[in-house]
Amino acid sequence: DAGVIQSPRHEVTEMGQEVTLRCKPISGHNSLFWYRQTMMRGLELLIYFNNNVPIDDSGMPEDRFSAKMPNASFSTLKIQPSEPRDSAVYFCASRIGTGNFYEQYFGPGTRLTVT
Amino acid sequence: GNSVTQMEGPVTLSEEAFLTINCTYTATGYPSLFWYVQYPGEGLQLLLKATKADDKGSNKGFEATYRKETTSFHLEKGSVQVSDSAVYFCALGSDLGAQKLVFGQGTRLTINP
Repeated sequence: DAGVIQSPRHEVTEMGQEVTLRCKPISGHNSLFWYRQTMMRGLELLIYFNNNVPIDDSGMPEDRFSAKMPNASFSTLKIQPSEPRDSAVYFCASRIGTGNFYEQYFGPGTRLTVT
Repeated sequence: GNSVTQMEGPVTLSEEAFLTINCTYTATGYPSLFWYVQYPGEGLQLLLKATKADDKGSNKGFEATYRKETTSFHLEKGSVQVSDSAVYFCALGSDLGAQKLVFGQGTRLTINP
C-alpha cells in the first residue's frame, strides 16, 4: 500500500496568493483529517471528514481556509489569500471508519512557506 | 476541554541511556492515551497506546502506563539507540463528543552515539 499521499511536499508562495494542498487517503479508509504543525502551536486539527462529509471544522483558523472532499480518494485544503503566518507543515491523515479512532495514518506532510 | 502537557524539549542523551518523557493530561470521562513518534521528514506514527487506567502500552522497547490517579502517561525506555532520535507526541482521545485526538506539543529527542 502506498500510504497517505500528499502533494506538493514543499510549497513556497508569496503573500496574497492562493495555495492548494492535496491529499489521497489510503484506499478503503473513510475518515480523513487535516492537521497543521507549527513551532508555536504544535499539532492542531483543522478539519476532519467521515465518508466525505465534514464533521468538525472548528479548528479551521478563519474564512481564508477551506477544505473539500469530493470523493473517497481525494481531498484538498485551500488557503486564499495566503499570509506569512500560514507558514507551517500541513499533514493529512486517514483511518478506517470502523477501526479504533486513534489509528490514524499520516502522510509525509506539505511544508508551506508564505513570504 | 481536553488537553495534554508534555515535557519540554529538546532532550539529548547518549546511546544506552535511560529515557523518560513526561506527559500529563486533563480530560473528562475516561480517555484513551497514546504516544506517537515522528521521524525526520515523515508523518506521525502510532508508537503505543493504553485505553484504560493501569494499562501499560509497549512497543519497540518503549513503555507507558496509564496512571489515572496522577493523570499521567510518561514514556520510558531502558536503553535508547541513535535510531530513536525523533519527535515524540503524547495524545489523548475520547469517545465523548467528536472522536478526535488532542496532541501535546511534542518533545524532540536526540541520541548521540
